[in-house]
Amino acid sequence: DAKTTQPTSMDCAEGRAANLPCNHSTISGNEYVYWYRQIHSQGPQYIIHGLKNNETNEMASLIITEDRKSSTLILPHATLRDTAVYYCIVRAYNFNKFYFGSGTKLNVKP
Amino acid sequence: DAEITQSPRHKITETGRQVTLACHQTWNHNNMFWYRQDLGHGLRLIHYSYGVQDTNKGEVSDGYSVSRSNTEDLPLTLESAASSQTSVYFCASSGDRGRSGADTQYFGPGTRLTVL
Repeated sequence: DAKTTQPTSMDCAEGRAANLPCNHSTISGNEYVYWYRQIHSQGPQYIIHGLKNNETNEMASLIITEDRKSSTLILPHATLRDTAVYYCIVRAYNFNKFYFGSGTKLNVKP
Repeated sequence: DAEITQSPRHKITETGRQVTLACHQTWNHNNMFWYRQDLGHGLRLIHYSYGVQDTNKGEVSDGYSVSRSNTEDLPLTLESAASSQTSVYFCASSGDRGRSGADTQYFGPGTRLTVL
């Protein structure tokens, strides 16, 4: 399974876009990139996932580089409620197991 | 609405006791998972199941067991609780095995277990 590398923490001003990077240089061609977040002690919450193309939903946008070795999660207008730990995960091919790393602690500040 | 629940939400037990944590989902998902979360380790997979009567070991399965007798439930049992098993436990489920774009895992609220 491909491993991911994320910064330990990031700050973002409220109302600004939050751009969270993730490196997954050993990703295989048929592995998806998933993003989850965990607010305080709650269960992880699904945000978005993608394979090759950029993806957007009501929560965020996912930008995957052409070589697929890295991706960026974009929260277009961060709010204080977006303060959380964000996990970038590469899904093992043909399996549902998710391997969580340490994630990025996003601090949204007023 | 369909959901995934865990019980109890908090549990304190003593070393050596058997403990069972419940996980129940109403999505009719085939796949269910148990994770533990400790400071500095993120979430680590304990056991998982792809359907009734199917169980598999994850990366930290020692001291834990699961059984799957129906689609809705995957109870996690600590045979003889140890202080090293003090942690927050999360259950998750997903609706498809391997089909692209359809295997998002949905997590329960967690159970905080303390072993004294």
